[in-house]
Amino acid sequence: DAGITQSPRHKVTETGTPVTLRCHQTENHRYMYWYRQDPGHGLRLIHYSYGVKDTDKGEVSDGYSVSRSKTEDFLLTLESATSSQTSVYFCAISESQRAGMETQYFGPGTRLLVL
Amino acid sequence: GDSVTQMEGPVTLSEEAFLTINCTYTATGYPSLFWYVQYPGEGLQLLLKATKADDKGSNKGFEATYRKETTSFHLEKGSVQVSDSAVYFCALSPNAGGTSYGKLTFGQGTILTVHP
Repeated sequence: DAGITQSPRHKVTETGTPVTLRCHQTENHRYMYWYRQDPGHGLRLIHYSYGVKDTDKGEVSDGYSVSRSKTEDFLLTLESATSSQTSVYFCAISESQRAGMETQYFGPGTRLLVL
Repeated sequence: GDSVTQMEGPVTLSEEAFLTINCTYTATGYPSLFWYVQYPGEGLQLLLKATKADDKGSNKGFEATYRKETTSFHLEKGSVQVSDSAVYFCALSPNAGGTSYGKLTFGQGTILTVHP
């Protein structure tokens, strides 16, 4: 199994509070991704990183920010949590974007409930 | 933009039945195609993949063939087991190098339940 951990695994918070989720990898992979999973929507990309301090927006980035100060850590921050951000959040890593090597490996997920 | 459409579920089968989960895609160029599986309470795991037309991916008795003429990547298994109960996701990667950064586009997922 790819060495990916997410913390916390479960969190309950209140509307308007900031929340930070952490993804940590031990594989030294260059690419990292944050997804959210909601019923009927599959997985949707929030933000991704293609190197230290190199990040960009995905399809559902509003209300989220990310940071990557070192290869192994990718942080997702909800600046002011809303109930619509209640979801399961998955981190993924990938070694390369070259054809045949772009397989993504997923962490165990963080279940977030915003009251 | 790129998109992936999976057959609507949930799918309920008896053990040893034949499984097909349909997946079609829209993309420019020659994307790589994937099937991921998610067991209850876990993250996604790669099940199989194919990177060019007519390639067949296979793993754990599951198979899928990359059909460019029909833009499809249907998942099949000849005899399902109770342990195959999970959510199955079809996905594509643009495979364009450059600024694609390996981003995946997922279908909505298909819930499979297999009864003894």
